Amino acid sequence: EDKVVQSPLSLVVHEGDTVTLNCSYEVTNFRSLLWYKQEKKAPTFLFMLTSSGIEKKSGRLSSILDKKELSSILNITATQTGDSAIYLCAVYPITFYNQGGKLIFGQGTELSVKP
Amino acid sequence: DGGITQSPKYLFRKEGQNVTLSCEQNLNHDAMYWYRQDPGQGLRLIYYSQIVNDFQKGDIAEGYSVSREKKESFPLTVTSAQKNPTAFYLCASSIGTSGSSYEQYFGPGTRLTVT
Repeated sequence: EDKVVQSPLSLVVHEGDTVTLNCSYEVTNFRSLLWYKQEKKAPTFLFMLTSSGIEKKSGRLSSILDKKELSSILNITATQTGDSAIYLCAVYPITFYNQGGKLIFGQGTELSVKP
Repeated sequence: DGGITQSPKYLFRKEGQNVTLSCEQNLNHDAMYWYRQDPGQGLRLIYYSQIVNDFQKGDIAEGYSVSREKKESFPLTVTSAQKNPTAFYLCASSIGTSGSSYEQYFGPGTRLTVT
């Protein structure tokens, strides 16, 4: 069964700290990995990774995919209280046409940044 | 503004009643999805639709039904057969499904409480 596991499940840090969130997956045929940020309501898209070793960056956030280790990390540097959210990792497996679009989500990591 | 709307934001129902959650998108996306989110379990796929008048079961379809009569709309009915319906329901859409990886855009969600 395809599975995505995130760790830690929750994390409390102080402003200015750097955090690393982990995502590992077991998927029959991997296509891509996505990271989302969820604050209270709708998850918002952060990154999509398809090639191993390539870092995607957006400001203080960055992510790398390791296809050999079947994992990805999401780094947040100089954290701010506005980074407090649930961070979701999801994987697209390669599927046949009539199974298309099935994203498999991890449990999420709840990050709390204290002032 | 383009986006996905879900209504209502909060919904309360008595056990044994069917209830329909609305999801509308004006992004001209072909694919639409329904997820359920419970604490500590991430997002789980209920149903998805790749094209009008066609939909497939996700991982937890029992006790739910959907329709896709229009490209913009993908309502979800939570039936009385769903044993544990209290949850946060998220609707999403994407440009397509098979053949490539597309980010999914999420609506603000509906929190359903059944007593």
